[in-house]
Amino acid sequence: QKEVEQDPGPLSVPEGAIVSLNCTYSNSAFQYFMWYRQYSRKGPELLMYTYSSGNKEDGRFTAQVDKSSKYISLFIRDSQPSDSATYLCAMNLKAAGNKLTFGGGTRVLVKP
Amino acid sequence: DSGVTQTPKHLITATGQRVTLRCSPRSGDLSVYWYQQSLDQGLQFLIQYYNGEERAKGNILERFSAQQFPDLHSELNLSSLELGDSALYFCASGQVGQPQHFGDGTRLSIL
Repeated sequence: QKEVEQDPGPLSVPEGAIVSLNCTYSNSAFQYFMWYRQYSRKGPELLMYTYSSGNKEDGRFTAQVDKSSKYISLFIRDSQPSDSATYLCAMNLKAAGNKLTFGGGTRVLVKP
Repeated sequence: DSGVTQTPKHLITATGQRVTLRCSPRSGDLSVYWYQQSLDQGLQFLIQYYNGEERAKGNILERFSAQQFPDLHSELNLSSLELGDSALYFCASGQVGQPQHFGDGTRLSIL
């Protein structure tokens, strides 16, 4: 079993809808949580970074962390066709330097 | 643009060969990380350097090695290449305790 699980999708939504993505993890020692967006033939681009349970909002993006359930989510409001990409969750242990453990990524398609 | 530069963008070579991938980190970042992305394994951490010294190692094969130079750029050396080494190789850089920023990767194709 992988340390971080993420539904591969694809997740297809109409433009303007809310996109809901999530990851579950098994290692309760993970302390820092990130969401990256990856377009085809590009590197992962950092979207959100958080280290505490609760919600963090940045524009159309909201990251949610529930450490007690070992579950993190990303919500994208008012989705646009330009949001079509693969979304990767990542997390790390402070004690292990900054080594990131990634989920497998969810492919999202926003249809105009 | 993340500020992390990787060259070359694409490498095509044959089994048994050796290649070198290069990474220039963002200005001011002392840490460089290398990751491998393949269809079946996803993004996997290979190795981290901090200010010229190896800091952490992941599941990096013995045929692979890396180094970070005094100007903080890093190179990943892959030798005795096998078909299964075909993948995207990403470099990321960051400050300790801060999130990492990724380059656009080098696509390695082994024929």
